[in-house]
Amino acid sequence: GQNIDQPTEMTATEGAIVQINCTYQTSGFNGLFWYQQHAGEAPTFLSYNVLDGLEEKGRFSSFLSRSKGYSYLLLKELQMKDSASYLCAVMDSNYQLIWGAGTKLIIKP
Amino acid sequence: NAGVTQTPKFRVLKTGQSMTLLCAQDMNHEYMYWYRQDPGMGLRLIHYSVGEGTTAKGEVPDGYNVSRLKKQNFLLGLESAAPSQTSVYFCASTVAGGPTDTQYFGPGTRLTVL
Repeated sequence: GQNIDQPTEMTATEGAIVQINCTYQTSGFNGLFWYQQHAGEAPTFLSYNVLDGLEEKGRFSSFLSRSKGYSYLLLKELQMKDSASYLCAVMDSNYQLIWGAGTKLIIKP
Repeated sequence: NAGVTQTPKFRVLKTGQSMTLLCAQDMNHEYMYWYRQDPGMGLRLIHYSVGEGTTAKGEVPDGYNVSRLKKQNFLLGLESAAPSQTSVYFCASTVAGGPTDTQYFGPGTRLTVL
């Protein structure tokens, strides 16, 4: 079966760095996505990785290792507005997204 | 541009009632999707469409029907609602459904079935 695993909840301090991990087992691989979802709102796109390595976009970076079935999202200089759920999703061989349950990130002052 | 819009935002149904959720996008996207999101679970694909007049089943299609008569609209129908269909429903669209195509989501519809 297809499976995406990520921690249910994480807590971090404002101004710090946090790494959210995602491991996956899917039928085929056409890229890995990270989305941000604030409570009661729609998911919004953060990043896309299809090749191994690190993609940096401002305070957010995303890493992929296809051989290990592993990705992480790195958030630097945390701000209170970063409190949200972070969703990991893999596009499978049918070009459909398989979604993890999301990691709820709580930022404390 | 409004992006992706959904109506209604909230709805309460009694078991056995029917309803239709409307999704509209003004980005001229070919692909449209209906997902449901339940606590502790990832988004699950109900149905999707790869273009006007087409529909296909996703991971959890039972109890739902869809129609895409116009490119900009994707309707999700519940013929006989059940408590298990209590969920938040999200519509999404992409340009062409390819690996680099970002999915844009609507604001969601919160449905409660009593």
